[in-house]
Amino acid sequence: ETGVTQSPTHLIKTRGQQVTLRCSSQSGHNTVSWYQQALGQGPQFIFQYYREEENGRGNFPPRFSGLQFPNYSSELNVNALELDDSALYLCASSFRGTGELFFGEGSRLTVL
Amino acid sequence: QKEVEQNSGPLSVPEGAIASLNCTYSDRGSQSFFWYRQYSGKSPELIMFIYSNGDKEDGRFTAQLNKASQYVSLLIRDSQPSDSATYLCAVNRPTGNQFYFGTGTSLTVIP
Repeated sequence: ETGVTQSPTHLIKTRGQQVTLRCSSQSGHNTVSWYQQALGQGPQFIFQYYREEENGRGNFPPRFSGLQFPNYSSELNVNALELDDSALYLCASSFRGTGELFFGEGSRLTVL
Repeated sequence: QKEVEQNSGPLSVPEGAIASLNCTYSDRGSQSFFWYRQYSGKSPELIMFIYSNGDKEDGRFTAQLNKASQYVSLLIRDSQPSDSATYLCAVNRPTGNQFYFGTGTSLTVIP
């Protein structure tokens, strides 16, 4: 176990709805990254948070947004859900500078 | 051109054999390289990382890096059925603090 916890583990939404996913990072880690993993694909970088600020962003539209809290936990928000947003959403924590990611078990989102 | 490319496989090897997994990357500015293992339905877990050209060994695993060829590989010696999983190559680019993952290579170790 990595000590990174995510919730919820599974959820089903309909197109147009909004979703919030949550992540608690491993103790001692100050950086949180979010990834989207579609079936049969590798994880795709969404964004990274360090010291409560976005510190890097992948090729995802603005309807994907996030937060990091003072305790280093984080949220991923997705607005106006589309069918293609169906995927496993992975949170990874790390200590800035080490480059090693420790993943949570993921939140599997299904959009109908 | 994808940032990180891997042969998706599937790769099958008999138990006890050496499994060789390969990865190429496009950005010469990439500085650190990682191998993750992902069991079906689970999240990726870090196996090894390598920063310098050459080989790095950890138990049955050896990572090899050739920056001139932009090539990273992972060798698994004495392969076990429990090694059956998808292996993801990841590259860290300092710009934007982004990790780029390949699509993964599916490995099956046959008892």
